[in-house]
Amino acid sequence: QAQLQQWGAGLLKPSETLSLTCAVYDGAFIDYQWTWIRQSPGRGLEWIGKIDRSGTTIYTPSLRSRVTMSVDTIKKQFSLRLSSVNGADTGRYYCARGNWGGWYFDLWGRGTQVTVSS
Amino acid sequence: DIVMTQSPATLSVSPGERATLSCRASQSVSTSLAWYQQRPGQAPTLLIYGASTRATGIPARFSGSGSGTVFTLTISSLQSEDFAVYYCQQYNEWPPLTFGGGTKVEIK
Repeated sequence: QAQLQQWGAGLLKPSETLSLTCAVYDGAFIDYQWTWIRQSPGRGLEWIGKIDRSGTTIYTPSLRSRVTMSVDTIKKQFSLRLSSVNGADTGRYYCARGNWGGWYFDLWGRGTQVTVSS
Repeated sequence: DIVMTQSPATLSVSPGERATLSCRASQSVSTSLAWYQQRPGQAPTLLIYGASTRATGIPARFSGSGSGTVFTLTISSLQSEDFAVYYCQQYNEWPPLTFGGGTKVEIK
């Protein structure tokens, strides 16, 4: 059964860059859209963006200037970078597998808690 | 952005009873709506997509209905593992994909 395993730094200072990676195990990679979603008490679930096997991305408009996603189809991994973080970026970040259109998510990673604090 | 509003915020239900959760969109999303369940300390799990199609492995006690701006998730007979938070999500118009604020189903 496919699994997503994610990792990255959990404590950042304001203005630093958040960097997370998610690996796909025991499942196909090229048939899906790969997504990052975050969750916080104040903002709820927030879709950050998606990337496909060719590296084509779509980002949420509110974060577009700070977000970069990348993909490595050989390693079956995809990554998120969010620059110039601040306290509003604190939350739990999930990687997720989207269906072929990237519209809904049938497999999620366990999440990484990211805290931004000076 | 399409705003998704869920009600009630908290629903108190006894085991074995029916639970009815509502989700309203700020504009029509056709049937481009998904439902998720999130248990404490876990990631969300996809329950329903296309407003009414159960995801793989989801029990038949979960059903979704609605179209346009008004949607319902019904859990026909609540089991202990169903006490959780439920979220709706639209995918008709994006970016961004947007989620509702959630309904917590708690034991009465």
